[in-house]
Amino acid sequence: GDSVTQMEGPVTLSEEAFLTINCTYTATGYPSLFWYVQYPGEGLQLLLKATKADDKGSNKGFEATYRKETTSFHLEKGSVQVSDSAVYFCALSEDTGFQKLVFGTGTRLLVSP
Amino acid sequence: NAGVTQTPKFRVLKTGQSMTLLCAQDMNHEYMYWYRQDPGMGLRLIHYSVGEGTTAKGEVPDGYNVSRLKKQNFLLGLESAAPSQTSVYFCASSPTGMYAYDYGYTFGSGTRLTVV
Repeated sequence: GDSVTQMEGPVTLSEEAFLTINCTYTATGYPSLFWYVQYPGEGLQLLLKATKADDKGSNKGFEATYRKETTSFHLEKGSVQVSDSAVYFCALSEDTGFQKLVFGTGTRLLVSP
Repeated sequence: NAGVTQTPKFRVLKTGQSMTLLCAQDMNHEYMYWYRQDPGMGLRLIHYSVGEGTTAKGEVPDGYNVSRLKKQNFLLGLESAAPSQTSVYFCASSPTGMYAYDYGYTFGSGTRLTVV
C-alpha cells in the first residue's frame, strides 16, 4: 500500500538557520503530495502541495519539489523563525478521484532564538 | 468563522464506557474523515464518508462506529472504550474533485481522549 516516510525528529535549529525535512513516498500511481503543519494545540493546516512531477509547492517561505525519480518531497526553508516551531507532516493522495490522504509520522521542529 | 468544530475538546472515560465525538463543518464539504493521532505513528484514518448517509472503514476502524445522517455532521462513537483508544482524535473535511487538491483538508482542533 501507499506510505510516507519522514525523518525522525525533533529537529532543533537556531533562528535564521536553514531547514530541511526529508520525506519519501511509496505509491502505485501518480500521487499528489502535500505538507501539512500542526501548531501546538491546533489541528493540521495545509502548508503547500504539488500535484505532478517537478512541480514546486511554496508558501510562507517554505518550498518542496516533487521528485518522481527519487520519490521524494523534501521540505526546505532558507531562514527559520521561532514561530515556525511546529510538527510538519508529509502526506500523499493517490490520483483515484477520492482524495484520501496518507500521512507520515510527522517531524517536530523546534526553533530557538 | 467557517471551519470544522469538534466537541468535546477533552474527555476522560473509564474502560467500558461509551461516548460520541461530534464533528460539524459549515463549508458544505462532501467528504469527512476521522483520524487518530498517536506518538510516533502520525495520523491514521479511522472512518470516512463521501456524502450524507455513507460511511466507510479506514485503516484502523475496530472499536469505532460512525454516522453521517446530515451532510454537515460526522459522529464517531466508541461503544466500549479501551485504554488502547487513548489518543487525540481529529475530524477533517474536504471538497470534491480538484478543489480538494487546491484547498486540502480542513481539520478541527482535536479531541484529547483518555481511557483509564
